[in-house]
Amino acid sequence: SAVISQKPSRDICQRGTSLTIQCQVDSQVTMMFWYRQQPGQSLTLIATANQGSEATYESGFVIDKFPISRPNLTFSTLTVSNMSPEDSSIYLCSVEEQLAGQEDEQFFGPGTRLTVL
Amino acid sequence: DAKTTQPTSMDCAEGRAANLPCNHSTISGNEYVYWYRQIHSQGPQYIIHGLKNNETNEMASLIITEDRKSSTLILPHATLRDTAVYYCIAQTGANNLFFGTGTRLTVIP
Repeated sequence: SAVISQKPSRDICQRGTSLTIQCQVDSQVTMMFWYRQQPGQSLTLIATANQGSEATYESGFVIDKFPISRPNLTFSTLTVSNMSPEDSSIYLCSVEEQLAGQEDEQFFGPGTRLTVL
Repeated sequence: DAKTTQPTSMDCAEGRAANLPCNHSTISGNEYVYWYRQIHSQGPQYIIHGLKNNETNEMASLIITEDRKSSTLILPHATLRDTAVYYCIAQTGANNLFFGTGTRLTVIP
Protein backbone atom coordinates (compact mmCIF):
# COMPACT_ATOMS: atom_id res chain seq x y z
CA SER A 1 0.00 0.00 0.00
CA ALA A 2 0.97 3.65 -0.39
CA VAL A 3 3.31 5.13 2.17
CA ILE A 4 2.04 8.49 3.41
CA SER A 5 4.03 11.04 5.36
CA GLN A 6 2.92 14.30 6.92
CA LYS A 7 4.84 17.35 8.03
CA PRO A 8 4.93 18.62 10.67
CA SER A 9 4.07 15.73 12.95
CA ARG A 10 3.00 18.19 15.61
CA ASP A 11 3.04 21.92 16.26
CA ILE A 12 2.01 24.44 18.85
CA CYS A 13 0.76 27.70 17.39
CA GLN A 14 -0.51 31.05 18.55
CA ARG A 15 -4.06 32.08 17.86
CA GLY A 16 -4.52 34.21 14.76
CA THR A 17 -1.66 32.56 12.89
CA SER A 18 -1.85 30.00 10.09
CA LEU A 19 -0.22 26.60 9.68
CA THR A 20 0.31 24.65 6.47
CA ILE A 21 0.42 20.86 6.73
CA GLN A 22 2.05 18.84 4.01
CA CYS A 23 1.08 15.36 2.85
CA GLN A 24 3.42 13.35 0.64
CA VAL A 25 2.62 9.97 -0.94
CA ASP A 26 5.20 7.63 -2.40
CA SER A 27 3.04 6.80 -5.42
CA GLN A 28 0.62 8.60 -7.66
CA VAL A 29 -2.92 8.51 -6.35
CA THR A 30 -6.08 10.00 -7.74
CA MET A 31 -7.97 10.64 -4.53
CA MET A 32 -6.55 12.43 -1.51
CA PHE A 33 -8.54 13.50 1.52
CA TRP A 34 -8.09 15.62 4.61
CA TYR A 35 -9.71 14.71 7.92
CA ARG A 36 -9.86 16.36 11.32
CA GLN A 37 -9.99 14.55 14.63
CA GLN A 38 -10.82 16.76 17.57
CA PRO A 39 -9.72 15.68 21.05
CA GLY A 40 -11.59 12.55 22.13
CA GLN A 41 -13.66 12.53 18.96
CA SER A 42 -13.86 10.46 15.81
CA LEU A 43 -12.61 11.55 12.40
CA THR A 44 -14.48 14.10 10.32
CA LEU A 45 -13.84 14.59 6.62
CA ILE A 46 -12.83 18.16 5.80
CA ALA A 47 -12.43 17.95 2.04
CA THR A 48 -11.35 15.98 -0.98
CA ALA A 49 -8.19 17.37 -2.54
CA ASN A 50 -8.61 17.35 -6.31
CA GLN A 51 -5.60 17.51 -8.59
CA GLY A 52 -5.87 20.40 -10.99
CA SER A 53 -9.05 21.85 -9.54
CA GLU A 54 -10.48 23.31 -6.36
CA ALA A 55 -10.97 21.02 -3.38
CA THR A 56 -14.43 19.73 -2.57
CA TYR A 57 -15.40 20.72 0.97
CA GLU A 58 -17.78 18.96 3.31
CA SER A 59 -20.57 20.76 5.10
CA GLY A 60 -19.21 22.98 7.82
CA PHE A 61 -15.81 23.50 6.23
CA VAL A 62 -14.90 26.39 3.93
CA ILE A 63 -12.00 27.22 1.67
CA ASP A 64 -11.16 30.48 3.42
CA LYS A 65 -10.53 28.63 6.67
CA PHE A 66 -8.97 25.47 5.23
CA PRO A 67 -7.36 26.24 1.86
CA ILE A 68 -6.04 23.13 0.16
CA SER A 69 -3.55 22.69 -2.63
CA ARG A 70 -3.02 19.62 -4.80
CA PRO A 71 -0.32 20.47 -7.33
CA ASN A 72 0.28 16.88 -8.44
CA LEU A 73 -0.74 13.28 -7.80
CA THR A 74 1.67 12.72 -4.90
CA PHE A 75 1.38 15.86 -2.80
CA SER A 76 -1.18 18.03 -1.05
CA THR A 77 -1.24 20.74 1.58
CA LEU A 78 -3.89 21.83 4.05
CA THR A 79 -3.67 25.26 5.66
CA VAL A 80 -5.46 26.01 8.90
CA SER A 81 -5.99 29.76 8.74
CA ASN A 82 -6.48 32.35 11.46
CA MET A 83 -6.30 29.66 14.10
CA SER A 84 -8.19 29.61 17.36
CA PRO A 85 -7.95 27.13 20.25
CA GLU A 86 -10.98 25.33 18.78
CA ASP A 87 -8.78 24.29 15.85
CA SER A 88 -6.65 22.16 18.15
CA SER A 89 -6.97 18.73 16.58
CA ILE A 90 -5.18 15.99 14.77
CA TYR A 91 -5.27 16.58 11.02
CA LEU A 92 -4.96 13.49 8.86
CA CYS A 93 -4.27 13.02 5.20
CA SER A 94 -5.51 9.92 3.44
CA VAL A 95 -5.41 8.44 -0.04
CA GLU A 96 -7.58 6.04 -1.93
CA GLU A 97 -5.68 3.27 -3.62
CA GLN A 98 -6.67 0.20 -5.52
CA LEU A 99 -4.66 -2.83 -4.51
CA ALA A 100 -4.13 -5.65 -7.01
CA GLY A 101 -7.28 -7.67 -7.47
CA GLN A 102 -9.19 -5.76 -4.83
CA GLU A 103 -11.54 -2.86 -4.49
CA ASP A 104 -10.29 0.61 -3.64
CA GLU A 105 -9.09 1.11 -0.09
CA GLN A 106 -8.29 4.20 1.90
CA PHE A 107 -4.98 4.56 3.73
CA PHE A 108 -4.10 7.20 6.27
CA GLY A 109 -1.05 9.20 7.12
CA PRO A 110 0.27 9.44 10.69
CA GLY A 111 -1.49 12.74 11.35
CA THR A 112 -0.40 16.20 12.46
CA ARG A 113 -1.19 17.09 16.04
CA LEU A 114 -1.98 20.80 16.28
CA THR A 115 -2.32 22.73 19.51
CA VAL A 116 -3.45 26.33 19.36
CA LEU A 117 -2.79 28.51 22.40
CA ASP B 1 -24.44 5.65 3.74
CA ALA B 2 -25.82 3.25 6.30
CA LYS B 3 -25.56 4.13 9.98
CA THR B 4 -23.61 1.67 12.11
CA THR B 5 -23.94 0.95 15.81
CA GLN B 6 -21.08 -0.43 17.90
CA PRO B 7 -20.56 -0.96 21.62
CA THR B 8 -18.62 1.87 23.18
CA SER B 9 -15.98 -0.36 24.72
CA MET B 10 -14.91 -3.96 25.17
CA ASP B 11 -12.23 -5.86 27.01
CA CYS B 12 -10.49 -9.01 25.83
CA ALA B 13 -7.91 -11.22 27.50
CA GLU B 14 -4.58 -11.45 25.74
CA GLY B 15 -4.38 -14.54 23.54
CA ARG B 16 -8.13 -14.94 23.32
CA ALA B 17 -10.29 -14.10 20.33
CA ALA B 18 -11.73 -10.62 20.26
CA ASN B 19 -15.19 -10.47 18.70
CA LEU B 20 -16.32 -6.96 17.85
CA PRO B 21 -19.95 -6.61 16.78
CA CYS B 22 -21.43 -4.01 14.48
CA ASN B 23 -25.05 -3.38 13.64
CA HIS B 24 -25.90 -1.93 10.23
CA SER B 25 -29.56 -2.77 9.86
CA THR B 26 -30.19 -0.14 7.17
CA ILE B 27 -27.36 -1.25 4.89
CA SER B 28 -28.21 -1.30 1.20
CA GLY B 29 -27.23 -3.93 -1.31
CA ASN B 30 -24.27 -2.05 -2.76
CA GLU B 31 -22.74 -0.95 0.53
CA TYR B 32 -19.63 -2.66 1.81
CA VAL B 33 -18.73 -3.16 5.45
CA TYR B 34 -15.29 -1.72 6.22
CA TRP B 35 -13.31 -2.06 9.42
CA TYR B 36 -10.55 0.32 10.44
CA ARG B 37 -8.73 0.69 13.71
CA GLN B 38 -6.89 3.58 15.29
CA ILE B 39 -4.15 2.91 17.75
CA HIS B 40 -3.50 5.81 20.08
CA SER B 41 -1.75 8.76 18.40
CA GLN B 42 -1.69 7.08 14.99
CA GLY B 43 -3.73 7.40 11.80
CA PRO B 44 -6.49 4.87 11.16
CA GLN B 45 -5.39 1.53 9.76
CA TYR B 46 -7.42 -0.48 7.29
CA ILE B 47 -8.24 -3.98 8.55
CA ILE B 48 -10.69 -5.70 6.26
CA HIS B 49 -13.86 -5.20 4.27
CA GLY B 50 -16.61 -7.32 2.76
CA LEU B 51 -19.87 -7.17 0.86
CA LYS B 52 -21.77 -10.34 1.76
CA ASN B 53 -19.31 -13.19 2.00
CA ASN B 54 -17.18 -13.78 5.05
CA GLU B 55 -13.65 -12.57 4.58
CA THR B 56 -10.33 -13.41 6.18
CA ASN B 57 -6.90 -11.87 5.89
CA GLU B 58 -3.72 -11.89 7.92
CA MET B 59 -5.15 -9.47 10.44
CA ALA B 60 -8.71 -10.57 11.04
CA SER B 61 -11.87 -12.31 9.93
CA LEU B 62 -15.11 -10.60 9.03
CA ILE B 63 -18.35 -12.47 9.52
CA ILE B 64 -21.40 -10.90 7.87
CA THR B 65 -24.86 -12.24 8.67
CA GLU B 66 -26.92 -13.59 5.82
CA ASP B 67 -29.33 -10.65 5.99
CA ARG B 68 -26.29 -8.27 6.12
CA LYS B 69 -27.82 -6.36 9.01
CA SER B 70 -24.87 -7.02 11.28
CA SER B 71 -21.29 -8.20 11.22
CA THR B 72 -18.53 -9.27 13.57
CA LEU B 73 -14.84 -8.54 13.32
CA ILE B 74 -12.76 -11.32 14.82
CA LEU B 75 -9.18 -10.91 15.96
CA PRO B 76 -8.29 -14.58 16.50
CA HIS B 77 -5.52 -14.14 19.07
CA ALA B 78 -5.60 -10.67 20.55
CA THR B 79 -2.33 -9.11 21.65
CA LEU B 80 -1.66 -6.01 23.69
CA ARG B 81 -0.85 -4.18 20.45
CA ASP B 82 -4.43 -4.72 19.30
CA THR B 83 -5.64 -2.24 21.91
CA ALA B 84 -7.26 0.46 19.76
CA VAL B 85 -10.51 2.04 18.69
CA TYR B 86 -12.19 -0.10 16.03
CA TYR B 87 -14.47 1.55 13.49
CA CYS B 88 -17.14 -0.24 11.49
CA ILE B 89 -18.22 1.67 8.38
CA ALA B 90 -20.94 0.75 5.90
CA GLN B 91 -20.88 2.59 2.60
CA THR B 92 -20.64 2.13 -1.12
CA GLY B 93 -16.98 2.96 -1.59
CA ALA B 94 -13.74 3.65 0.21
CA ASN B 95 -13.80 7.39 -0.39
CA ASN B 96 -15.40 9.91 1.97
CA LEU B 97 -15.36 7.42 4.84
CA PHE B 98 -17.77 8.31 7.63
CA PHE B 99 -16.28 7.33 10.98
CA GLY B 100 -18.67 6.83 13.87
CA THR B 101 -17.58 6.63 17.48
CA GLY B 102 -16.20 3.08 17.22
CA THR B 103 -15.47 0.49 19.89
CA ARG B 104 -12.57 1.00 22.23
CA LEU B 105 -11.00 -2.46 22.60
CA THR B 106 -8.68 -3.00 25.53
CA VAL B 107 -6.62 -6.16 25.53
CA ILE B 108 -5.81 -7.17 29.08
CA PRO B 109 -2.66 -9.09 29.99
